[in-house]
Amino acid sequence: DIVMTQTPLSSPVTLGQPASISCRSSQSLVHSDGNIYLSWLQQRPGQPPRLLIYKNSNRLSGVPDRFSGSGAGTDFTLKISRVEAEDVGVYYCMQATQFPHSFGQGTKLEIK
Amino acid sequence: EVQLVESGGGLVQPGGSLRLSCAVSGFTFSNYWMTWVRQAPGKGLEWVANIKQDGSETYYVDSMKGRFTISRDNTKNSLYLQMNSLRAEDTAVYYCARLGGARGPPGYWGQGTLVTVSP
Repeated sequence: DIVMTQTPLSSPVTLGQPASISCRSSQSLVHSDGNIYLSWLQQRPGQPPRLLIYKNSNRLSGVPDRFSGSGAGTDFTLKISRVEAEDVGVYYCMQATQFPHSFGQGTKLEIK
Repeated sequence: EVQLVESGGGLVQPGGSLRLSCAVSGFTFSNYWMTWVRQAPGKGLEWVANIKQDGSETYYVDSMKGRFTISRDNTKNSLYLQMNSLRAEDTAVYYCARLGGARGPPGYWGQGTLVTVSP
């Protein structure tokens, strides 16, 4: 099974400053079809998760362009170029390259 | 508007059973893979199971294989999760979500239904 490890687990950020979350997989997430099935989701307090990024770097329609995803092989990053108050919540990476699918532990983004 | 509404959660004793439902609207249900994801109180997300559009393929996390069964009724636009032999560690909010394909992504989520396993 693929284990997803996120760092940091908590990230205090100043409004307007950038933030970065790392996600490392225990195996390569490159599928035999050439795609990387790595998604990033945001969960605001009291809400269900919300998809932000899919297939490593594709931003879902309606997601602000301050969110971006990148990476290759086993190392992936979610970047927020300028953190806004509404970005507070927990961020999860999720792999769907191999069954069973799996999530990272989550990274809590807080405002300093 | 895409909507997913879970129901069927509640309090159940250890060893008991529960059937969760997810009623969907706003899209052609039979065209999409679906998934169940759970979240224990104060914890992270845990993938539970996926099911193909026609129900012919299902996948489970090992810890739930044999105890949980994902199914669907495309005539009723509904997804189900039959949970048997429930344990305290199965206590969680259970979410259903619509997938973009066999390998996700989970683009639309319901609000979740809480299952509490306790004597």
